[in-house]
Formats: sequence, C-alpha cells, structure tokens
Amino acid sequence: QVQLVQSGAEVKKPGDSVKVSCKTSGYTFTGYYVQWVRQAPGQGLEWMGWINPNSGDTRYAQKFQGWVTMTRDTSISTVYMELSRLKSDDTAVYYCARVYMLTNPRFDSWGQGTLVSVSP
Amino acid sequence: QSALTQPPSASGSPGQSVTMSCTGTSSDVGGYNYVSWYQQYPGRAPQLMIYEVSKRPSGVPDRFSGSKSGNTASLTVSGLQAEDEADYYCSSYAGSNDVVFGGGTKLTVL
Repeated sequence: QVQLVQSGAEVKKPGDSVKVSCKTSGYTFTGYYVQWVRQAPGQGLEWMGWINPNSGDTRYAQKFQGWVTMTRDTSISTVYMELSRLKSDDTAVYYCARVYMLTNPRFDSWGQGTLVSVSP
Repeated sequence: QSALTQPPSASGSPGQSVTMSCTGTSSDVGGYNYVSWYQQYPGRAPQLMIYEVSKRPSGVPDRFSGSKSGNTASLTVSGLQAEDEADYYCSSYAGSNDVVFGGGTKLTVL
C-alpha cells in the first residue's frame, strides 16, 4: 500500500537548520509530486511547496522562498525538506503528501507528520 | 496568496446535517474546480474527503458532499455521527502550480 514515512521529531535552537525526510513506498516514486505542508500548534494547514521527484524541479510558496530547500534521492525513493534560519514560530508539525497533478492538487496520501520544536 | 476563509466552528446533533463554507477569490476557489476537503483528527494527519469540488475518494461515506458557488465552496455532512467530530480544511488550486488552504473549521457533534 501507499506509504509516506517521515523522520522523527526534532528539537532545534533559533538560527539552526532542520532537514526532514519523507520515505515513500507502494507506488512509482517518480510518478507523483511531493508537497510539504506545515501546521503550527493549534493552527491551520500552511502550504510550503512541492518537488518533482523525477526532475528535481521545485516550487516554493512565496513566504518560504530563500529559506526552504526540497531535494530528493531517487535511489531510496525519499524526499527531503530543509528549513534554515529557524525561528520559534517555525515550531510546527511538518507533513509531506503526494499529489498526482499540480493543477489538480488533491493530497491523497500523507506522511504521519514530523514535529519540529524551536526553542532557545 | 491569502488563506481561504473558513468559519472557526460548526456544530450539529447526531442525525442532522451541517454545512461548512470555504471562501476564496476568483484567483483560487472561483477560478478553478479544484477544491478539496480534508478531515483531521487531533494528532493525526489530514485525510482527503472531497476533491474536484464534489468527488469522493473510495471509502469516504456518501454522507459527505461538496459543492461550489462563485468564490465559495461548501462541505456538507449529512446524518451526523459522533466520529465526524474533527477539524475540516479546504484547499484550492491557486494558479501557477500553487495551493492555498483554509484556516479550518472545528466540527462538534453535540
């Protein structure tokens, strides 16, 4: 079955970087885009951007341009999301999800989420 | 782009129907028939309930239905059950391969 399994919780300090992994299985890795969404405590979902696992092309939400980087390793069907220059309000659960078509973005399978805590 | 607007809360008694709204602009909800709805239980990842405004993935009960008029999309849950109590988020394609989400509605089953 389709699975997206994310790396474990992280505790970081302001100014640090964090890299979250999302290992996929059960489908053709290069056949679906992977999108990243975050959710601050008690808040709604916030779209961060996507990566094309086939080409490595990326697009980031305007808010995150310049401080998020999404990459992939096709040999292990895994995508990564790295966020730099962390601030306390980056404390959130970060989710990866797959999408078949960028122009019809239905997130049909999600990772379990990775909690990133940023505290002095 | 700005988040889609959802009422923070909604409620209904078991067996009743409840409708939740999701308001955007002509650049997102109003411009495309690519609105999705997600159900999220506390501490869990969201789950797709509706896509392309009104289509249900396999396994989603037909008590869940979606519609759209102009810049506002709606999710209706009929025959409310206790397990429907959750947070519900809408999302829309926003052009240029971007996505926008709503702030979420907490559904309480009284």
